[in-house]
Amino acid sequence: EVQLVESGGGLVQPGRSLRLSCAASGYTFIHHAMHWVRQAPGKGLEWVSGISWNSGSKGYADSVRGRFTISRDNAQNSLYLQMNSLRAEDTAFYYCVKDNGPYYDSTGDWHFDYWGQGILVSVSS
Amino acid sequence: EIVLTQSPATLSLSPGERATLSCRASQSIASHLAWYQQKPGQAPRLLIYAASTRATGIPARFSGSGSGTDFTLTISSLEPEDYGLYYCHQRSIWPPAFGQGTKLELK
Repeated sequence: EVQLVESGGGLVQPGRSLRLSCAASGYTFIHHAMHWVRQAPGKGLEWVSGISWNSGSKGYADSVRGRFTISRDNAQNSLYLQMNSLRAEDTAFYYCVKDNGPYYDSTGDWHFDYWGQGILVSVSS
Repeated sequence: EIVLTQSPATLSLSPGERATLSCRASQSIASHLAWYQQKPGQAPRLLIYAASTRATGIPARFSGSGSGTDFTLTISSLEPEDYGLYYCHQRSIWPPAFGQGTKLELK
């Protein structure tokens, strides 16, 4: 059974940093790209960042580029999101998401096939 | 950037009724559309990909259709567990995009 478990969320002041982690199990982690998708409370889904299977390519939404950094450790079956210079508008549930393919930016019938339960990041003074 | 517009925003139906949810893309995305279901307090769950292929474990009452710019998710006979939010999603053209969601509620 595929499991994705996020950790590291919480309340943080504007301008500060936070690091999210995601522990993956139940599948061959190294074979798949991974993503972070967020959802502000009561709002829709927004893709945040993605990383290919070997960390060879990464991508970010315009709203977070230059502030967030995605990374992965294939030996530890883990995904990370370093979030710097946090803003109030970054407040959301952050989901760790598995790609059904190896490259985060593949287009076509690629999709997000498994999601973690999500973790809340709240940015407020 | 592709914009996905879902309609209606809210759909009120009774158990046993047929639900029809729509998703329209701002330009052609061939058949590269997925549908997700989200229940309160839960993560989204993949229902349909490639416009019409059911994901593993998804009941046959869920079906998807469409290509180009117009897509439909149909639930043939609503079960109590089907109520929630439904999102369409495209990865035909980068960056990936989601629709704003349709809330399927109990009438």
